[in-house]
Amino acid sequence: GENVEQHPSTLSVQEGDSAVIKCTYSDSASNYFPWYKQELGKGPQLIIDIRSNVGEKKDQRIAVTLNKTAKHFSLHITETQPEDSAVYFCAASIVNNNDMRFGAGTRLTVKP
Amino acid sequence: NAGVTQTPKFQVLKTGQSMTLQCAQDMNHNSMYWYRQDPGMGLRLIYYSASEGTTDKGEVPNGYNVSRLNKREFSLRLESAAPSQTSVYFCASTPDPLGPQHFGDGTRLSIL
Repeated sequence: GENVEQHPSTLSVQEGDSAVIKCTYSDSASNYFPWYKQELGKGPQLIIDIRSNVGEKKDQRIAVTLNKTAKHFSLHITETQPEDSAVYFCAASIVNNNDMRFGAGTRLTVKP
Repeated sequence: NAGVTQTPKFQVLKTGQSMTLQCAQDMNHNSMYWYRQDPGMGLRLIYYSASEGTTDKGEVPNGYNVSRLNKREFSLRLESAAPSQTSVYFCASTPDPLGPQHFGDGTRLSIL
C-alpha cells in the first residue's frame, strides 16, 4: 500500500518568514494530495489540495507543489503569522480509492 | 451548520469493556470514515463507508466494527477494549471518494 513520509517533524520560524514542509509518497498511482491543518483539540481542516494533473496551486499565502516524477510534494507558507502555528499533515490517495494515507505530521511554531 | 459531530468527546474505559463512538454529518455526504490518531503516526484509516449500506476495512480494522446506520450516521464499536486502542478517534465525511474530507473534533479514548 501507499506510504507517505513527511519532514520535518517540527519546524520553528520567525513571524514573517516562510515555512516549507515536504512529503514523499511511494505509490505512483496516487493522484490526490491534500494538506490539513490541525489546531490543538480540533480535527484536521483542509487548507489546500492538488491533483496529479497540476504541478502547483496557490491560495493567498499558501502554495503546494507536486513533482510526480520524484513522487514528492511540498507545502509552502509565506509571510507566516502566529496563527499559522499548528500541526500540518500531508496525505495521498488514489482515484476512487477510499484508503487515504497520511504523513506523521509537522508541528509548526511561528514566533512573534 | 454543525458539519461532522462526534460523541462523546472524552471517554475512559477499562480493559474488556465495550463502547460505541457516534458520528453524524449534516452535509448530505455519501462517504464516511473512521480514523485513529496516535502520537508520531498521523491518522490511520480504520473503516470507511463509501455509501449508505456499505462498509469496508481500512488500514487498521482489527478490534473494531462499524455500522452505517443511515446516510447521516456512521458508528464505530469496540467490542472488548484493549489498552492498545487508547487513541484519539476522528470521523470524517466527503461528498465523493476523491473529494476533501471534513473532520469532526475527535473522541479522546483512554483504556486502562
